[in-house]
Amino acid sequence: QVTLRESGPALVKPTQTLTLTCTFSGFSLNTSGMCVSWVRQPPGKALEWLALINWDDDKHYETSLKTRLTISKDTSKNQVVLTMTNMNPVDTATYYCARTYSLLGYMDVWGKGTTVTVSS
Amino acid sequence: DIQMTQSPSSLSASVGDRVTITCRASQSISTYLNWYQQKPGKAPKHLIYVASSLQSGVPSRFSGNGSGTHFTLTISSLQPEDFASYYCQQSYTTLYTFGQGTKLEIK
Repeated sequence: QVTLRESGPALVKPTQTLTLTCTFSGFSLNTSGMCVSWVRQPPGKALEWLALINWDDDKHYETSLKTRLTISKDTSKNQVVLTMTNMNPVDTATYYCARTYSLLGYMDVWGKGTTVTVSS
Repeated sequence: DIQMTQSPSSLSASVGDRVTITCRASQSISTYLNWYQQKPGKAPKHLIYVASSLQSGVPSRFSGNGSGTHFTLTISSLQPEDFASYYCQQSYTTLYTFGQGTKLEIK
């Protein structure tokens, strides 16, 4: 059974750096074609893809946020970490990680999400 | 980046109705189009990949069609559990983008 679980702080202050961890089981990020994506959703708004890391450690970022995002993986721990610098209240959202198939680009299994509020 | 535009933004329908949601891409994406369903307070659920292939376990009343820039998601006979929001997502480039969503409500 494939599962993913997001963890991180529920509250961050403006200008701080957010670090989120996705801990997964049931698949390996050493497997060719396997990736993990991060997606966020502000309250009442649409889904927004943020970043992806693949089995080969190739990384991709949403264009407007790429200067603020860093994605990394620790395959020994089955974890993917996303950091976002210079947090702003507009970054308040639920953040999801999802298993992603590189070849066709769909996200077939999602974590439950973690809600992050940016406020002083 | 490729922009995805869904229509309508919201839709009211009744149980048993046939409904179609449209997704348009700002450039051709072949069939690299995926659909998701999301219920309030829950994570998205993957429904369809490469425009028309049903994810395992998804009821056959869901179907997808299209290629290039124009895509549709059709629910042939709405069930109570289908009232949710639906999102399209392009994977033609690894700079993935989602549509703005369509909220399907009970009439």
